[in-house]
Amino acid sequence: KNEVEQSPQNLTAQEGEFITINCSYSVGISALHWLQQHPGGGIVSLFMLSSGKKKHGRLIATINIQEKHSSLHITASHPRDSAVYICAVRTGGGADGLTFGKGTHLIIQP
Amino acid sequence: NAGVTQTPKFQVLKTGQSMTLQCAQDMNHEYMSWYRQDPGMGLRLIHYSVGAGITDQGEVPNGYNVSRSTTEDFPLRLLSAAPSQTSVYFCASSVLSTGTEQFFGPGTRLTVL
Repeated sequence: KNEVEQSPQNLTAQEGEFITINCSYSVGISALHWLQQHPGGGIVSLFMLSSGKKKHGRLIATINIQEKHSSLHITASHPRDSAVYICAVRTGGGADGLTFGKGTHLIIQP
Repeated sequence: NAGVTQTPKFQVLKTGQSMTLQCAQDMNHEYMSWYRQDPGMGLRLIHYSVGAGITDQGEVPNGYNVSRSTTEDFPLRLLSAAPSQTSVYFCASSVLSTGTEQFFGPGTRLTVL
């Protein structure tokens, strides 16, 4: 079973700061997902990675397959970025469910 | 497209009662799954389905049943609710292939007294 560890568990920062959230996993994967969960509870997919780097707006996700590690970066953070960010990995083929980290609770203060 | 819908949004049950959480998607996705989310833990897979008529157990299947009679619907049944099943339940769907985006429903918050 893949173990997914996220750090930090909680992060409070000031508006405008550069944010980094880390995710490590124990077993080789076929894909890694970054998800966002707002206080209302809904979960939205931000990125899906199997290699390299992806960028969407102020969000950047990277993955290092050899080191079994991924990072989610937020540039020019804003209070609306406050949410729980969840890393999830798929170890096998498409029929396997995701294994989730416990999430990073991010608060951006104005 | 409505995406993934779940009903009800909130539910309170007494121990021993049964109920069905509904999940539907209109994206013609083969893969559907149910997760539960508990405080201090990551989401955990309960059951999943790779197509109509095919279901399988996930990490925490005990106390739950599923069926998949159509591509669109994937209901989750609690046979005899227990306080340990108090949780937030999420349904998700995706195309059946490695590394495709998961679409999540809005969740059902269930309390068992």
